[in-house]
Amino acid sequence: AQSVTQLDSHVSVSEGTPVLLRCNYSSSYSPSLFWYVQHPNKGLQLLLKYTSAATLVKGINGFEAEFKKSETSFHLTKPSAHMSDAAEYFCVVSLTLANNDMRFGAGTRLTVKP
Amino acid sequence: GAGVSQSPSNKVTEKGKDVELRCDPISGHTALYWYRQSLGQGLEFLIYFQGNSAPDKSGLPSDRFSAERTGGSVSTLTIQRTQQEDSAVYLCASSLDSGGAYNEQFFGPGTRLTVL
Repeated sequence: AQSVTQLDSHVSVSEGTPVLLRCNYSSSYSPSLFWYVQHPNKGLQLLLKYTSAATLVKGINGFEAEFKKSETSFHLTKPSAHMSDAAEYFCVVSLTLANNDMRFGAGTRLTVKP
Repeated sequence: GAGVSQSPSNKVTEKGKDVELRCDPISGHTALYWYRQSLGQGLEFLIYFQGNSAPDKSGLPSDRFSAERTGGSVSTLTIQRTQQEDSAVYLCASSLDSGGAYNEQFFGPGTRLTVL
């Protein structure tokens, strides 16, 4: 079985400060992991993905995530938040590389204060 | 080029009525997916089409839900005898294919269904 837990339903940061969105997964096998972002009234967009290559993955818009097998975590970070980062973020785990085997976390809503 | 489009963007219906939701995938994408996003929940996989293969219906919550994909392109998700718990945002996504290396799924803006 596989599942993904996003530890915070809502995170609020000030513009220019670091962002940390936490994600833990459970999987019996080596998973593939992804982060998607959903802006209001927009479709989901892939931020980054980990598929057993480098454990530190860089994505779009300055985001990155580190796969830590010992902690079963895949936290999303950004050094400096921008107002445009305000959105819903989803951590996704896939046991295989088959797209229909993806499990989405419940999401973390990021608010960025001026 | 155009992305994934869905229609209608919003649908309000009465309990017991049937609804049809439409998805136009990106041209050339052979894989198409339907998900349901309930308030405060992650995305729930519903059904998956890949080319001419039989669809993976393992995520459909009940036999009131069905989907078809005509000509390998446009897809329609049908919910019969709608219930209030069917209220959610229904998202469609498409990708080049799902075999081998991961291919990014491109999502549409969704259809917000409200069952009164």
